[in-house]
Amino acid sequence: KAGVTQTPRYLIKTRGQQVTLSCSPISGHRSVSWYQQTPGQGLQFLFEYFSETQRNKGNFPGRFSGRQFSNSRSEMNVSTLELGDSALYLCASSLAGQSYEQYFGPGTRLTVT
Amino acid sequence: DAKTTQPNSMESNEEEPVHLPCNHSTISGTDYIHWYRQLPSQGPEYVIHGLTSNVNNRMASLAIAEDRKSSTLILHRATLRDAAVYYCILGGWSGAGSYQLTFGKGTKLSVIP
Repeated sequence: KAGVTQTPRYLIKTRGQQVTLSCSPISGHRSVSWYQQTPGQGLQFLFEYFSETQRNKGNFPGRFSGRQFSNSRSEMNVSTLELGDSALYLCASSLAGQSYEQYFGPGTRLTVT
Repeated sequence: DAKTTQPNSMESNEEEPVHLPCNHSTISGTDYIHWYRQLPSQGPEYVIHGLTSNVNNRMASLAIAEDRKSSTLILHRATLRDAAVYYCILGGWSGAGSYQLTFGKGTKLSVIP
């Protein structure tokens, strides 16, 4: 079974631009969570989607948004990029009702210049 | 959010057991204790989780104190491939059926050949 895939793997953007990251969960997994990882703050929870609905959101500004499609694939969008948004963005998927065990993708490394 | 406290780093000799400690004195009655690890340049990987009783799986064992305020991840025989950052995480159910993992700083485990 294929693992969680994230595209693109690397991205360089300029301040003020927007960016969209994609995550394809493991087949059959309907829950997708997004995390931001930086050296200073570590891994921080962004949001979680299940059946196309956002069920939970972390403490991030409204510039960070996401969505989930009917095939469980998910995208996250960051508008008006700031230098501090440079980070590794990770998504994780899990089976419905079994979010104890989340499977992480390799992440998208975003650099904002 | 309930927090965990772990040593910043630990060293172990190859083929010896490793005991990674974690304190979580503010744990609530419904919080599960999880361990994930992150190898260099990869997303986190699930290791084990438990609620009250000790747990074993093919990767590790989890020993939970009777008062649940601390736990220990046990790697029975460290290999070079076990060198990673190990995260002790409390997981709990948020509103709308969402399950959230709150990562701490983790322990960087070095394995010496």
